[in-house]
This record gives sequence, C-alpha cells and structure tokens, in this order.
Amino acid sequence: EVQLVESGGGLVQPGGSLRLSCAASGFTFSTYSMNWVRQAPGKGLEWISYISSGSGTIFYADSVKGRFTISRDNAKNSLYLQMNSLRDEDTAVYYCVRPILAGYYNPFDNWGQGALVTVSS
Amino acid sequence: EIVLTQSPGTLSLSPGERATLSCRASQSVSSSSLAWYQQKPGQAPRLLIYAASSRATGIPDRFSGSGSGTDFTLTISRLEPEDFAVYYCHHYGTSPLTFGGGTRVEIK
Repeated sequence: EVQLVESGGGLVQPGGSLRLSCAASGFTFSTYSMNWVRQAPGKGLEWISYISSGSGTIFYADSVKGRFTISRDNAKNSLYLQMNSLRDEDTAVYYCVRPILAGYYNPFDNWGQGALVTVSS
Repeated sequence: EIVLTQSPGTLSLSPGERATLSCRASQSVSSSSLAWYQQKPGQAPRLLIYAASSRATGIPDRFSGSGSGTDFTLTISRLEPEDFAVYYCHHYGTSPLTFGGGTRVEIK
C-alpha cells in the first residue's frame, strides 16, 4: 500500500522559514516524480512544485518561485519542501503527492494526509 | 496558464438523483490531460477520473467523465450518501498544472 506521510508543519511568523518532509513507502520511490500541492483554509487546490525522479527537472508555481525549494533523497525515500520568506498567504495544508505515472504531465493518484502550515504573527 | 472554471459552485440534490458538474477551460486542452477529484472534509483529494473519461482504480461506475476541447463534465448517475463532497477538475497537460475552483455537492 502506498503511503505518504508529511511532517514539519506548524506556526511560523511572516518572513520565517519552515521545512516540510514527506516519508514515502509502499512503492519504488526512486522511480516516481513527486509534487507538492497546497490548499488554503476553505479554498481550492494549488499545485506548487514538481521534482523528477532523479531531481534533474524541477518546476515551481510563480507564487512560490524564488522562495521555496523542492528536493528529495531517494536513499531515504523522502521528499522535502524548504519554505523561506513565508507570507500570510502561504498559510495552507501542504500535500505530498505522487502521480499515477512517472513524469510531470500526469494526474495524482496518491496523496498524503497533509501538513498544516500557519503563517501569522 | 490554463484557467479552469467549474460550475455550479454548489449543487443541492437528493440521494438517488443525477449530478452533472461542469469544468470549462480558458483554452482548448487535450482530453488526455483532464482529471476529476473528490474531496471530503478533513481528507485529501481522491482521484476519480483521468484522461477525461477513464475511471481510476476502485472508482464505482456511477462516476463518469466526458468532454473535449474546452468543456468537460463529471456525471454521478445516482448519488449515494457518501458522494456528497467537493469535486475539483484538474488540467495536467501543460505547465503550470492547474485546478478548478471546485463544485460542492450538498444534500438537499
């Protein structure tokens, strides 16, 4: 069974930093690309970042480009999201997401339970 | 960026009724790049339909997807109590990947 478990969420002040982790199991992590998707309270879904299986290709949404960094450690079956210069509008549940097939242009068939990040003074 | 507009915002129906949800794209998209998700309160989204009309693993056949170009539809043939939720369409054919704003299906 595929499992994605996020950790590292919490309360942070505007301008602060936070690092999310996602522990993957139940599949061969190193062969799949991965994504982060977020959802602000009471709002819809927003894709924010993609990383290919070997970390050679990375994409970001304009809303986080230059502030967030996605990375992965295939030896540890883990995905990360380093979030810097956080803003109030970054408050959201952050989901670690695996696509149905490896590659950027694929739908998401496995989601973690989400990690809540709250940016507030 | 392809903008997806979902309508209606809220659909009020009774169990057993048919639900028809719309997703309109700001420009023509490939049918192979349109998905639908269901999300219940406090849960992560669940993939229902991909490539506009293919059901994901384990999804009941009362869920069906159709459409092409700029207009796509998710149909729930007979609503079951567990189907009352929020539904999102998703375009994954070009960068950036985008989602619609969602349609809430509520019990009338």
